[in-house]
Amino acid sequence: AQTVTQSQPEMSVQEAETVTLSCTYDTSESDYYLFWYKQPPSRQMILVIRQEAYKQQNATENRFSVNFQKAAKSFSLKISDSQLGDAAMYFCAQEVLFYGGSQGNLIFGKGTKLSVKP
Amino acid sequence: KAGVTQTPRYLIKTRGQQVTLSCSPISGHRSVSWYQQTPGQGLQFLFEYFSETQRNKGNFPGRFSGRQFSNSRSEMNVSTLELGDSALYLCASSKLAGEKFFGPGTRLTVL
Repeated sequence: AQTVTQSQPEMSVQEAETVTLSCTYDTSESDYYLFWYKQPPSRQMILVIRQEAYKQQNATENRFSVNFQKAAKSFSLKISDSQLGDAAMYFCAQEVLFYGGSQGNLIFGKGTKLSVKP
Repeated sequence: KAGVTQTPRYLIKTRGQQVTLSCSPISGHRSVSWYQQTPGQGLQFLFEYFSETQRNKGNFPGRFSGRQFSNSRSEMNVSTLELGDSALYLCASSKLAGEKFFGPGTRLTVL
């Protein structure tokens, strides 16, 4: 069975500083996607960044980047130049693909609550 | 392009009643999946539909059911509501693997 673990229930960062959120996952499958989703108080789940397992290059999206360590099954999110609007719950998730590459469901971690101090 | 919409946004029911939630995916997306979010259990997968067929189902009792229509809109139904069914129900639509977009959710409160 696939599992996703986020070991940091809460994190805090000073505005303009950098913070890293940790995530580990477990799967025996070779074909999957990994994601970081952001859920602000509005509860709208927003995709922050995604990583295809077959790609060695770490994904980046503006101030957000990941450190994908496939052998260690680790997938951390780095937020640079943190802004007040980054305060939210962050969920790490995995999508294991069905045979043939068709999409599967998401397995989520428990989330990390990020606070940003002005 | 319009995003995923869910109706209603808020719902209050009493134990024993049943409820139907609706989800309209992004135009062109044929896959719709449902998730339950609670403080205790976190985000859990309910089921996924693709072209009107349920392709995958999570570990939930038979009181939870769903369907998808030919226009890809989906509904989920919960019968004989229990207090523990109080949750945020999220719907996600996708066209391809690796691209799930979520709606704003329906907050269900069971009294």
